[in-house]
Amino acid sequence: DGGITQSPKYLFRKEGQNVTLSCEQNLNHDAMYWYRQDPGQGLRLIYYSQIVNDFQKGDIAEGYSVSREKKESFPLTVTSAQKNPTAFYLCASSIIAQGVGNEQFFGPGTRLTVL
Amino acid sequence: GQNIDQPTEMTATEGAIVQINCTYQTSGFNGLFWYQQHAGEAPTFLSYNVLDGLEEKGRFSSFLSRSKGYSYLLLKELQMKDSASYLCAVMDSNYQLIWGAGTKLIIKP
Repeated sequence: DGGITQSPKYLFRKEGQNVTLSCEQNLNHDAMYWYRQDPGQGLRLIYYSQIVNDFQKGDIAEGYSVSREKKESFPLTVTSAQKNPTAFYLCASSIIAQGVGNEQFFGPGTRLTVL
Repeated sequence: GQNIDQPTEMTATEGAIVQINCTYQTSGFNGLFWYQQHAGEAPTFLSYNVLDGLEEKGRFSSFLSRSKGYSYLLLKELQMKDSASYLCAVMDSNYQLIWGAGTKLIIKP
């Protein structure tokens, strides 16, 4: 089955530690995205990648970093510089980044709690 | 600035019809999406509108008026499994999705 996987489902970390969230897709999509979802707010874009070895900052990139070494993989690192990292993180992909009607497919999400 | 507005919460009865509204102000417009999201799960695609009018897909329909910056999602013959959040998102001139905060729909028997 084609889809997007994220691991782990739940993640707990101590304050000050960096943590990396995994995102893998086998849909052969060029574009991948990371969003953050907080209660009462819309999804906010952290980073996106249109193609391998290229990525762009979204609206709230501070305190986060990404890499896109393979088409299938787009890991997100939440660094200690992120002031309020506790949130639900969603990874998504689409066939291409800039296309009308280009729906995004989402992974199941990772709920990160920083203690 | 860019803004998407939708009601925070709505309640409806099983078997009834409900309309969820979405108004938007964005830099450019390349279409409007509706997604369904059950609690703690991934959003799933429901519909896409880029031209004015009504798009029907089974029990769900979506309407768009670009001149009014307005869309609605219409859910008919409500079932308990329709209890979820419904997210409205607009694709702006840079092909980025701007998301509303979502409408939590509660279905009562």
